[in-house]
Amino acid sequence: QVQLQESGPGLVKPSETLSLTCALSGYSSSSGYYWGWIRQPPGKGLEWIGILYHTVRAYYNPSLRSRVAMSVDTSKKHFSLKLSSVTAADTAMYYCAKAMTTVTPWAFDVWGQGTVVTVSP
Amino acid sequence: QSALTQPPSASGSPGQSVTISCTGTSSDVGAYNYVSWYRHHPGKAPKLMIYEVTKRPSGVPDRFSGSKSGNTASLTVSGLQAEDEADYYCSSYAGTNNPYVVFGGGTKLTVL
Repeated sequence: QVQLQESGPGLVKPSETLSLTCALSGYSSSSGYYWGWIRQPPGKGLEWIGILYHTVRAYYNPSLRSRVAMSVDTSKKHFSLKLSSVTAADTAMYYCAKAMTTVTPWAFDVWGQGTVVTVSP
Repeated sequence: QSALTQPPSASGSPGQSVTISCTGTSSDVGAYNYVSWYRHHPGKAPKLMIYEVTKRPSGVPDRFSGSKSGNTASLTVSGLQAEDEADYYCSSYAGTNNPYVVFGGGTKLTVL
């Protein structure tokens, strides 16, 4: 049974960097898949942040590209999100997820439960 | 990039069918067969119901079906059940040189 679990600080100050980790379980290896992040601001819809394949290929939302970085640690079975220069607009529930396929990784079939991040002084 | 357009709400009685639309442009929905649909119960993880316009992941009942015509994709839920009451989001691949995904604003489905 594949499972994902997000973790990280629930409160981040404006202008600082948001850092989240997604722990993987039920996989024999964290390579060979695309891993992604999605967020949902309070009262709003879902927003795709980006996806990462192993350590060699990453695609980011154009509106966030200048502030986003994703990485994966195959030995520790987790992948990470960093979002710099945060503002109140980055307050959201953040989800990590696994892409359905490696050929067309544009749908997520496994999601974490999400973690709330609030940006506030 | 703009979010895909979904009606804010939809409703139906148990046993009935309801269709939710998702309108994009010729650069996303109309250009690629990579439309997905998710069911999201508040407080829980979203669940993939449809991918690549019409395909159902293992375990998703055939009451859920997807289609596309031009720049508009649709999700049809047949034989409505109480558990279908949730928020539904569509998404579509939307890039060529810079691949990315755009979501719809979501539709709240109410089972009357």
